Amino acid sequence: AQSVTQLDSQVPVFEEAPVELRCNYSSSVSVYLFWYVQYPNQGLQLLLKYLSGSTLVKGINGFEAEFNKSQTSFHLRKPSVHISDTAEYFCAVTNSGGYQKVTFGTGTKLQVIP
Amino acid sequence: DTGVSQDPRHKITKRGQNVTFRCDPISEHNRLYWYRQTLGQGPEFLTYFQNEAQLEKSRLLSDRFSAERPKGSFSTLEIQRTEQGDSAMYLCASSLGAGGYNEQFFGPGTRLTVL
Repeated sequence: AQSVTQLDSQVPVFEEAPVELRCNYSSSVSVYLFWYVQYPNQGLQLLLKYLSGSTLVKGINGFEAEFNKSQTSFHLRKPSVHISDTAEYFCAVTNSGGYQKVTFGTGTKLQVIP
Repeated sequence: DTGVSQDPRHKITKRGQNVTFRCDPISEHNRLYWYRQTLGQGPEFLTYFQNEAQLEKSRLLSDRFSAERPKGSFSTLEIQRTEQGDSAMYLCASSLGAGGYNEQFFGPGTRLTVL
């Protein structure tokens, strides 16, 4: 079984400030890791993914995440946020084999303050 | 548009009524997933199809829920005798299962409100 923990349910940040959204996972097998963004009344959009290789992953909209196997973490970062980044962000994990059922965290609401 | 589509986008129903949702995956995708998302939670896996075969059902999927994918293309999710606790966003996703990493593409969801 696998699980994802997002400790921060809400993160307020001023516009143009940096932000880090935290994610820790648990799994007994090799995993793929993801960050999804969900804007109000919309579906999920993939921001970035870690499959293998370089532990620093760059995604869309200027976001990046770093895979840390020893700390079982996959924190999401952006050096300078914009009002349009206000949304809910979900960290997710799936096993690297089989049909890859995705397990999501409970989400972090990023509120960018003008 | 070649994305995943879901219909309807919103459904309001009275407790005890039956509802059915439809998902049209990306045309060449053989895998289809249903998730449920309640307020303040992340999406939770409900069930998965490989072509027309339903290969796994979550314990969240009670006997009142049934999902089908009759021709390996679109899928329906039916909820019988709806309860207020069924109020949620129902998300559909599809992927091309061909080994290695297969990205799941999500539809916009169907928001169900049970009064």
